[in-house]
Amino acid sequence: QTVVTQEPSLTVSPGGTVTLTCTSSTGAVTSGYSAIWLQQKPGQPPRALIHSTNNKHTWTPARFSGSLLGGKAALTLSGVQPEDEADYYCMLYYSAAQVWVFGGGTKLTVL
Amino acid sequence: EVQLVESGGGLVQSGESLRLSCAVSGFTFSNSWMHWVRQTPGKGLTWISYINGDGSITSYADSVKGRFTISRDNAKNTLYLQMNSLRAEDTAVYYCANSLALWGHGALVTVSS
Repeated sequence: QTVVTQEPSLTVSPGGTVTLTCTSSTGAVTSGYSAIWLQQKPGQPPRALIHSTNNKHTWTPARFSGSLLGGKAALTLSGVQPEDEADYYCMLYYSAAQVWVFGGGTKLTVL
Repeated sequence: EVQLVESGGGLVQSGESLRLSCAVSGFTFSNSWMHWVRQTPGKGLTWISYINGDGSITSYADSVKGRFTISRDNAKNTLYLQMNSLRAEDTAVYYCANSLALWGHGALVTVSS
């Protein structure tokens, strides 16, 4: 069974920079996995931030960026704002099986 | 304005069936890959299924394969999820999403054992 792993929790100071990562149990994450990053705040549906590894949606704040880092998908927040406190989920597409798999999510605390 | 509105959730007994609907507006539904994703209360997200624009391509997570069926009616701009043989572990909020970019607010399904 394919497992996608994220840091369970991270803490960052306002104005700081933090990188969240997304690892696949099958090996290095490449652009072929079409990584997606979502933000979810309590009581709200998920909101997509990044698609296809590093592409922002029109509504994505400039401080969010996606990349590949050391065989992992990564989401970097630069100049973190208090409103960025949320759960962040990555998704990877496994083309051979034609399925998407979520990571377990990272709870980001801004403190 | 883009809208995705799920409906059809509710309380059912284990082994029963339920059909969720997702009515969409504000984008070209017939061109869109659509997904169902669920979230157990207080837990993480799980991808369930997708369907392509004309309904000719579908895929399912192993946890629902053979029990759930995704379909769409492009004339009605509506996505469906037929859920059969429901189990307690299917209890969740079910979201529909357009290309995993635009999301509805979810419908709660509770399966009582």
